[in-house]
Amino acid sequence: NAGVTQTPKFQVLKTGQSMTLQCAQDMNHEYMSWYRQDPGMGLRLIHYSVGAGITDQGEVPNGYNVSRSTTEDFPLRLLSAAPSQTSVYFCASSRRDSNSPLHFGNGTRLTVT
Amino acid sequence: QQQVKQSPQSLIVQKGGISIINCAYENTAFDYFPWYQQFPGKGPALLIAIRPDVSEKKEGRFTISFNKSAKQFSLHIMDSQPGDSATYFCAADIIQGAQKLVFGQGTRLTINP
Repeated sequence: NAGVTQTPKFQVLKTGQSMTLQCAQDMNHEYMSWYRQDPGMGLRLIHYSVGAGITDQGEVPNGYNVSRSTTEDFPLRLLSAAPSQTSVYFCASSRRDSNSPLHFGNGTRLTVT
Repeated sequence: QQQVKQSPQSLIVQKGGISIINCAYENTAFDYFPWYQQFPGKGPALLIAIRPDVSEKKEGRFTISFNKSAKQFSLHIMDSQPGDSATYFCAADIIQGAQKLVFGQGTRLTINP
């Protein structure tokens, strides 16, 4: 059982470039979300989805786009990368039930120069 | 604005000792308080969680203490072991609706053998 799979593991971008961080889960979870982790800041919610076709903004959505065309996949798009987006990005999924734990992927480390 | 404040930022404990990490929250609507454990290169994983209708929850060597009036909760790790060395995050959420955890800043715990 793979759980939550994120690709790539590492990425270096130049300012202004675009890219998509991939996230896939094989647990048939309704909820999926993206967090960024920065030193001294913990994890902050970027965008989340409660099901296919439904997305919403989290705490720090600016500069990021998401879509959810299937239950399994939840890609995160950076349209024009900025140095402030240098971070470690985590995708997570969970069941709809209350108290259901978040299952995190192993992260994508992104550096924007 | 940091809605969940965590301390200390780092902690060193001798093997067999008690590790204590504290968190304080501001939003009285929060009603779900999980702790996540993260090892280097991995995503966070749920360790233990508590609802505000109880003041303490214990699972093995891990205990959450919760003080609703003070808006504080803490993680106690009894008989700390080198394998407990990791980064710990407290978090808070409103149980109804999509899971949108608000994380603390994290505590890097080192257990010396």
